[in-house]
Amino acid sequence: AQSVTQLGSHVSVSEGALVLLRCNYSSSVPPYLFWYVQYPNQGLQLLLKYTSAATLVKGINGFEAEFKKSETSFHLTKPSAHMSDAAEYFCAVTISGGSNYKLTFGKGTLLTVNP
Amino acid sequence: DADVTQTPRNRITKTGKRIMLECSQTKGHDRMYWYRQDPGLGLQLIYYSFDVKDINKGEISDGYSVSRQAQAKFSLSLESAIPNQTALYFCATSDFAGGNEQFFGPGTRLTVL
Repeated sequence: AQSVTQLGSHVSVSEGALVLLRCNYSSSVPPYLFWYVQYPNQGLQLLLKYTSAATLVKGINGFEAEFKKSETSFHLTKPSAHMSDAAEYFCAVTISGGSNYKLTFGKGTLLTVNP
Repeated sequence: DADVTQTPRNRITKTGKRIMLECSQTKGHDRMYWYRQDPGLGLQLIYYSFDVKDINKGEISDGYSVSRQAQAKFSLSLESAIPNQTALYFCATSDFAGGNEQFFGPGTRLTVL
């Protein structure tokens, strides 16, 4: 079975500062990993995904994440935070292969951006 | 137009009432899912369906039922609503390709009094 742990339920940064949201996964087989963003009163939107190609994955809105197998991590970063980045972020994992139907989500990290 | 739509967007109901949440998609995906979201708990899978004839329970199916009326439609029912089913409900779709990336609807906020 796979699982995801997001470290920090709430992260607060200043506008222009580095954004770092942490995600560690557990999976018995090679995983696929995702970051989703949820803006207030909206559904989840895919930011980026890792599906066993390049370990550094670039997504929308200037976000990127690096898959580190040795650390079982998939942390999300953005060099300079913008006010519009304020949202809740979810890391999710599924297993690669034929039955890769089930996404397991972390509990989410709420990002606040201060002016 | 949105690819995944949910109706209603908001619903207030009373304990014991039957309620149905509906989901439609125009993405042509075979797989559909229902999740509930509670603050601080992330998303929990209620039911999922790989095609019209394939329905499976998720992590928290007790108190819920589903119907896959067509490839594009997947409904979630609460036969007798209770207050702890107050939550945000999301429908999602995916296909086999792309690492099972899921596409989400806008959500239904359900309040059970």
